[in-house]
Amino acid sequence: AQSVTQLDSQVPVFEEAPVELRCNYSSSVSVYLFWYVQYPNQGLQLLLKYLSGSTLVKGINGFEAEFNKSQTSFHLRKPSVHISDTAEYFCAVTSPGIWNQNAGGTSYGKLTFGQGTILTVHP
Amino acid sequence: DGGITQSPKYLFRKEGQNVTLSCEQNLNHDAMYWYRQDPGQGLRLIYYSQIVNDFQKGDIAEGYSVSREKKESFPLTVTSAQKNPTAFYLCASSIARTGTGRPEAFFGQGTRLTVV
Repeated sequence: AQSVTQLDSQVPVFEEAPVELRCNYSSSVSVYLFWYVQYPNQGLQLLLKYLSGSTLVKGINGFEAEFNKSQTSFHLRKPSVHISDTAEYFCAVTSPGIWNQNAGGTSYGKLTFGQGTILTVHP
Repeated sequence: DGGITQSPKYLFRKEGQNVTLSCEQNLNHDAMYWYRQDPGQGLRLIYYSQIVNDFQKGDIAEGYSVSREKKESFPLTVTSAQKNPTAFYLCASSIARTGTGRPEAFFGQGTRLTVV
């Protein structure tokens, strides 16, 4: 089974300051990791993903995240935030592939999400 | 434009009534998902389907039902057996088969269900 823990439920920060949103995961197999952003009353939008390769992943809107296998972490960072970054952020994990008998092939696993971190950027 | 359409955006129902939430995608994705979102609890998986005519229960399936008769559609019925149905419901889809480098899910805009 997989699980995701987002260590902070709320993060207040001033505009132009750096921010880090923390995410730890638990899995007995290798994983793919994601960060999503959600603005009020909207769906989720993918910020970035880690599949393999370089542990530093760059995403949209100036965000980046670093995969740390030994610490089972995938923290999201931005060097200078804007008011428009105010939103809820979700870390998610899935497995690279599981056998799907009905589909007759290997499928990506389902996404498991953390509880979310509300980032509030103050002027 | 390709995407996922959830309808309606807001839905009000009386307690004890069944209600069906619509989810349609034109991304040619095999997998579709329903999540429930409550404040402070993240997204919890209700049901998912990785192929037409097949679906599996997620973590909180009790009181919900789904069907997957077409690749494009994955409607969710909230039944009267669901104890606390008021929530924000999100539908998502993804490419199911591995090797594509695209395991991420794409989300609809959500349906906010209020039961009074």
